[in-house]
Amino acid sequence: DIQLTQSPSFLSASVGDRVTITCRASQGISRYLVWYQQKPGKAPKLLIYTASTLQSGVPSRFSGSGSGTEFTLTISSLQPEDFATYYCQQLNNYPATFGQGTKVDIK
Amino acid sequence: QVTLKESGPVLVKPTETLTLTCTVSGFSLSNAKMAVTWIRQPPGKALEWLAQIFSNDERWYTPSLKDRLTISRDAAKSQVVLTMTNVDPADTATYFCARIRGVEEWELYLDYWGQGTLVTVSS
Repeated sequence: DIQLTQSPSFLSASVGDRVTITCRASQGISRYLVWYQQKPGKAPKLLIYTASTLQSGVPSRFSGSGSGTEFTLTISSLQPEDFATYYCQQLNNYPATFGQGTKVDIK
Repeated sequence: QVTLKESGPVLVKPTETLTLTCTVSGFSLSNAKMAVTWIRQPPGKALEWLAQIFSNDERWYTPSLKDRLTISRDAAKSQVVLTMTNVDPADTATYFCARIRGVEEWELYLDYWGQGTLVTVSS
C-alpha cells in the first residue's frame, strides 16, 4: 500500500497568513494526488486534483504542487472560512489511501 | 445537478450485517467516465477508503476489509449498495459515498460527496 504522510498534523495560523501543508507518499505516484477540505460535521470538499489542478469554484488562494513523492497544498492568504481539516488522497493506485489529515486552527 | 445521498440504519448490533445505499442523481451509473466509492470516518479520525465500483462492474475493496465487504450497483435505480458483514463496534463511523471522476484518463478524484450517514455499532 502507498502510505501518505501529512505534515504538520496540526497548524495554528492567523487570518492573512500563508499556509503550506505537505503530503509525502511512500512511493512515487507521479502527479496523481488529490486535496480535500473538511469542516466539522460536513463531507469533504474537493480542492485540487492531479496535484495542481484547481477544482472549479475553489478560490485561487488555494494552490497545489509536486510530483513523485512530495506534494504541497498552499493557501496564499488564510481566510476565516479556511479553518478546517485538509486531507490528501491517492486513488490511482490500488488500494486508495488518505493522509491522516492536517487541522488548521485559529491562532 | 449532481447529488448523492446515503441511507441505512443508524444503529446495528455486533455480528449483524450492515447494508448502506447510495442513491445518485444528475449522472448515470452506466457512464464510463465515472465510478462510485464508499469511504468512512470514525468519530474524530481520518478518512478511510472502503470500496469502489466502475460502470463495467469492476469492483475494488480495501484489503483489510475485503472479506466483509460487497459493493454492487443498480443502474436502473441509480443506486450503489455496500454491505458489510459481521460488524463490530470498531465499524462505528460516518459512511460517505462519492463520485469518482477522471476514469477514462485514469486521473481519478472525488468531485461530489454525499452528506454522510452515521452508523453506530452497539448492543
